[in-house]
Amino acid sequence: GAVVSQHPSWVICKSGTSVKIECRSLDFQATTMFWYRQFPKKSLMLMATSNEGSKATYEQGVEKDKFLINHASLTLSTLTVTSAHPEDSSFYICSARDWASTQQYFGPGTRLTVL
Amino acid sequence: EDKVVQSPLSLVVHEGDTVTLNCSYEVTNFRSLLWYKQEKKAPTFLFMLTSSGIEKKSGRLSSILDKKELFSILNITATQTGDSAVYLCASSGNTPLVFGKGTRLSVIA
Repeated sequence: GAVVSQHPSWVICKSGTSVKIECRSLDFQATTMFWYRQFPKKSLMLMATSNEGSKATYEQGVEKDKFLINHASLTLSTLTVTSAHPEDSSFYICSARDWASTQQYFGPGTRLTVL
Repeated sequence: EDKVVQSPLSLVVHEGDTVTLNCSYEVTNFRSLLWYKQEKKAPTFLFMLTSSGIEKKSGRLSSILDKKELFSILNITATQTGDSAVYLCASSGNTPLVFGKGTRLSVIA
């Protein structure tokens, strides 16, 4: 089946630093990628929709200057958490929509811990 | 506003039991309903349902959709400890996937 990778799997950083998370579709092209955030024992919350070659669409309440999304190619989207704070600690999951089948596939997630 | 509601929130059963997880949805321009299993990492895909009344099966898991009642169930028969996970239901329509809060299933030996 289709594979989506995320890098890194786990990152620990100091407060005030920026962290970049990559999401790649490995064997299909994804014109649309989604970024989700998941708090412990909670469901996934959609943060933004990323379309290749255009600006991301952010959900209400998500700060676009805080969570920078770039979708520069059909196989790569990045999420940068700028000036991270402890409350940004969370599990960030991307998913990619295969343009051919419209099926959505999830990456394995990135656990961010901000000290 | 699109929404997906799952029940129960949590369930504890003994190995060998059969469980039924419920998912109701209200989604504009419904396209599909999906079930995922989530253990420690990101959700893994189980089923995608688009048509009413057609059961999808994979081993001990099966699922069916009722588009008239806006409802889906996920059945797991002869449960095993490895089935312990959070089961997420999601629906797609005009917007990207909308997730329910999940059902946490714990299977004890």
